[in-house]
Amino acid sequence: ILNVEQSPQSLHVQEGDSTNFTCSFPSSNFYALHWYRWETAKSPEALFVMTLNGDEKKKGRISATLNTKEGYSYLYIKGSQPEDSATYLCASPELGANNLFFGTGTRLTVIP
Amino acid sequence: EPEVTQTPSHQVTQMGQEVILRCVPISNHLYFYWYRQILGQKVEFLVSFYNNEISEKSEIFDDQFSVERPDGSNFTLKIRSTKLEDSAMYFCASSGSVRPGGTDTQYFGPGTRLTVL
Repeated sequence: ILNVEQSPQSLHVQEGDSTNFTCSFPSSNFYALHWYRWETAKSPEALFVMTLNGDEKKKGRISATLNTKEGYSYLYIKGSQPEDSATYLCASPELGANNLFFGTGTRLTVIP
Repeated sequence: EPEVTQTPSHQVTQMGQEVILRCVPISNHLYFYWYRQILGQKVEFLVSFYNNEISEKSEIFDDQFSVERPDGSNFTLKIRSTKLEDSAMYFCASSGSVRPGGTDTQYFGPGTRLTVL
């Protein structure tokens, strides 16, 4: 079992503000780190899969970085919009396996 | 864009009853998964399925649970005798890789909310 943690649990930001939150995971036997965006009543949407230390990935205004040596990943949202309001989940599999262990998520609310 | 679909969206059942949750994975995908989220808790892995057999399963996936791919499109999760603690959102997912690898994107369905009374 992998212990994946996320912080903060929830976050309120004003429209236009940039924000970031953290996912921490065991650095030993690291395999991959997945980020998902989950809006209520919809399917969790895959954002990124990251594997290499120092990886940076970007999708529109959302980007993520990965530090496998210290066991954390940051997700950044630039110029938050109300439609960014969602729960952001990170997950990591056991080495060589497909089973994802999820964090509790960060619930983002963007206030217009 | 292809997507994973799940039916029903909400299922209410009595304790001790059998339920079957249905999923249609993305059509050319090879790996299929079930996860669940009990209210207020983390999303938990249940089982993965490849080449018509279970690839991995968690401790949660005991003899009360089974999975099946009855035809070329559906993937089902059966709970034989439901318990109150089985109440959760159940997610199906699929990924397209030809070999195991936690580096492959898993595409999730919208979930089935199971309520056991």
